[in-house]
Amino acid sequence: GENVEQHPSTLSVQEGDSAVIKCTYSDSASNYFPWYKQELGKGPQLIIDIRSNVGEKKDQRIAVTLNKTAKHFSLHITETQPEDSAVYFCAAHLSGNTPLVFGKGTRLSVIA
Amino acid sequence: DTAVSQTPKYLVTQMGNDKSIKCEQNLGHDTMYWYKQDSKKFLKIMFSYNNKELIINETVPNRFSPKSPDKAHLNLHINSLELGDSAVYFCASTPITSPDTQYFGPGTRLTVL
Repeated sequence: GENVEQHPSTLSVQEGDSAVIKCTYSDSASNYFPWYKQELGKGPQLIIDIRSNVGEKKDQRIAVTLNKTAKHFSLHITETQPEDSAVYFCAAHLSGNTPLVFGKGTRLSVIA
Repeated sequence: DTAVSQTPKYLVTQMGNDKSIKCEQNLGHDTMYWYKQDSKKFLKIMFSYNNKELIINETVPNRFSPKSPDKAHLNLHINSLELGDSAVYFCASTPITSPDTQYFGPGTRLTVL
């Protein structure tokens, strides 16, 4: 089955700096890669996603890149703000009724 | 508000008891899920239902039994609770138009003493 590795497990950055979180996946047939943000005491919320026919996607300060050959994808957050502090999860998905497989999460702390 | 809601938000109980967690979504979604998040924040799927029919059942002890009375509800019943069942349980749903995009509920923190 699919396996998703996520690094780093914790990340501290100064406000205004960029943050990068990286994930690798094992099943080359996976074709959908979402990123979720989980704030304290809340459920994960989708922040951006990318499909395998696209190499990069950007939404304001966040962007995701996908390298299908290397089977890795990354989340980039620019101009970080204290409210970006949360746990971020990557995930990978095959089509159909297969489950979404999550990475183990990255706890991002943005220091003001 | 349109959302995925869960009750209760916190559940503290003794080992051996039976408890239920309820989930409702008013988003008109066809597929609903239960996830377990352990103390290390690892999210793992437990079950998935599509229009009241079970479609994913990961290796979960049979003490856990999901029940879907209609496509807007997916409840989780747990028998003979064990210490290792302590976790946060999340319900989620996906629309048929975008079956990859999951909308999560706020979670239920279960503590078994």
